[in-house]
Amino acid sequence: DTGVSQNPRHKITKRGQNVTFRCDPISEHNRLYWYRQTLGQGPEFLTYFQNEAQLEKSRLLSDRFSAERPKGSFSTLEIQRTEQGDSAMYLCASSSVGRAGNTIYFGEGSWLTVV
Amino acid sequence: GENVEQHPSTLSVQEGDSAVIKCTYSDSASNYFPWYKQELGKGPQLIIDIRSNVGEKKDQRIAVTLNKTAKHFSLHITETQPEDSAVYFCAPPHGTSYGKLTFGQGTILTVHP
Repeated sequence: DTGVSQNPRHKITKRGQNVTFRCDPISEHNRLYWYRQTLGQGPEFLTYFQNEAQLEKSRLLSDRFSAERPKGSFSTLEIQRTEQGDSAMYLCASSSVGRAGNTIYFGEGSWLTVV
Repeated sequence: GENVEQHPSTLSVQEGDSAVIKCTYSDSASNYFPWYKQELGKGPQLIIDIRSNVGEKKDQRIAVTLNKTAKHFSLHITETQPEDSAVYFCAPPHGTSYGKLTFGQGTILTVHP
């Protein structure tokens, strides 16, 4: 078990540029989640997948955000036309439905700074 | 949606003392109650969780107690150590949706040697 892996760990980008984050979940975990965390706050749910299907999206996920999990394994989160308000840590998590009560394990996060 | 409140927001203790953090929630359908620890620059790490069919769970120096009637659950850390210093979050899921966690505001725990 290598844990949830995220990259890049840090990204600095200019306003208006696009960025993409990748998440590799714990192997055999069929659920994958994206959360966002700003300084001094708890993580907030963005979206989740079961296998390759995106089952729920938060209203926080504007149309500039898109997430995919094409083969039910790794996932990408893309932010288009970044804004300064997008600066945050983007957390990926995974779980296995039906095992251990669907305990959710988080990765170390990807920090985004928009300048 | 789920309304989660966590108290206190900061907690400072001496090494060896106990620490207690309380979390109240609003959704009576919630049946899973996890606590996460987050160190600076890292992702949240699950430290203990409890399901609604039990009232207390203990793992070495860490315990969680649940009062479903009053809709609150608490994290208890005994014999605190400096490495326990971190931000702690309760994160009950929204209703019975185990995946959509609703995090509290966090408690900054500082353990002084």
